[in-house]
Amino acid sequence: DAGITQSPRYKITETGRQVTLMCHQTWSHSYMFWYRQDLGHGLRLIYYSAAADITDKGEVPDGYVVSRSKTENFPLTLESATRSQTSVYFCASARTENTEAFFGQGTRLTVV
Amino acid sequence: GQNIDQPTEMTATEGAIVQINCTYQTSGFNGLFWYQQHAGEAPTFLSYNVLDGLEEKGRFSSFLSRSKGYSYLLLKELQMKDSASYLCAAMDSNYQLIWGAGTKLIIKP
Repeated sequence: DAGITQSPRYKITETGRQVTLMCHQTWSHSYMFWYRQDLGHGLRLIYYSAAADITDKGEVPDGYVVSRSKTENFPLTLESATRSQTSVYFCASARTENTEAFFGQGTRLTVV
Repeated sequence: GQNIDQPTEMTATEGAIVQINCTYQTSGFNGLFWYQQHAGEAPTFLSYNVLDGLEEKGRFSSFLSRSKGYSYLLLKELQMKDSASYLCAAMDSNYQLIWGAGTKLIIKP
């Protein structure tokens, strides 16, 4: 199916565990983004990527790692999960840096 | 610093018109986006303004004043399905989006 998909949709993990959230898009968009959304806050950018093998930090990158070996995939890894990383995570893609972004369905992550 | 302000919550009646305001302060400016987000779902794109003025798209219109750092989203002929959060986001000179916390719009019959 065309579009942008995230997996898993829901995840519960324990403090200190490593967890990877997956993101896949079929449009060959150059730009991909990872956001977290918490109550009372706007979307906050964690990392973004302008192309394969090019990634850059956003507003809140600490505790997260990304990679982009292929244009279509942009996984986000929490190296050692903490309770403060409990959030809803959205992946998004965009054709260029100033065109609209298309969002995945989100991953609701709970760290216990 | 960079910031976006929009009301936390608004209530309107089905069939009426509502205007959601957004003020922004950014380092440089490369446009203003509005997204709609239904509860538990992903944001979806509504509009993009980079020049001053009003852009109309069906029941939805978006206005921008760059000199005032101000935008609004106008929703006409409100329907129950318009109940959602509306997110304002301004793009700075580095093409980074600064997001507001969103305005939750409640539509009453």
